[in-house]
Amino acid sequence: DQQVKQNSPSLSVQEGRISILNCDYTNSMFDYFLWYKKYPAEGPTFLISISSIKDKNEDGRFTVFLNKSAKHLSLHIVPSQPGDSAVYFCAASSEPGAGSYQLTFGKGTKLSVIP
Amino acid sequence: DGGITQSPKYLFRKEGQNVTLSCEQNLNHDAMYWYRQDPGQGLRLIYYSQIVNDFQKGDIAEGYSVSREKKESFPLTVTSAQTNPTAFYLCASSKGTRIYTFGSGTRLTVV
Repeated sequence: DQQVKQNSPSLSVQEGRISILNCDYTNSMFDYFLWYKKYPAEGPTFLISISSIKDKNEDGRFTVFLNKSAKHLSLHIVPSQPGDSAVYFCAASSEPGAGSYQLTFGKGTKLSVIP
Repeated sequence: DGGITQSPKYLFRKEGQNVTLSCEQNLNHDAMYWYRQDPGQGLRLIYYSQIVNDFQKGDIAEGYSVSREKKESFPLTVTSAQTNPTAFYLCASSKGTRIYTFGSGTRLTVV
């Protein structure tokens, strides 16, 4: 049972245009969401996050939007650059009852930015 | 520079063998995690540890074992009981936050 879903395995976008990556979740206990970027044969790197008390968080070219009622978040990249070509993972977590935070990841979306 | 080091980068295992993947961090992070990635799949949690000498099973712990004798180190052993061990293994750490720092991964192949 997938709690975090990225329904688009791949996305192609022209350089300079907007990339929109989508993520849906089912667990209403999730209160913090993250996006990670991953190049082949490397570990994921943290990109941007958002708390459930917000509906938008922006960092340079990257903006994450959260729609709690729809259990949906999206990552916008504007403008897209060829170096953005990577796999993007959506992740979610809930407040732990005790102990460390655990992240639940989606399957990822492979973004290709075409020069 | 602080970070997480995973070794080796590539590992080959014969059927029936146990192999151990190394994960070392110098970030002074308390929590450490092991994830497995398969093609077209997300990252699935194998084991995690919040403090030294304590660890908990994740979603897919069967066929794996870990130890946490030092804060800096969290090795993962893939035992012969793991029937499909070929995958990309990622180690991560965090310190009281939900933002993980990941290592560069180990690709394990059964030959």
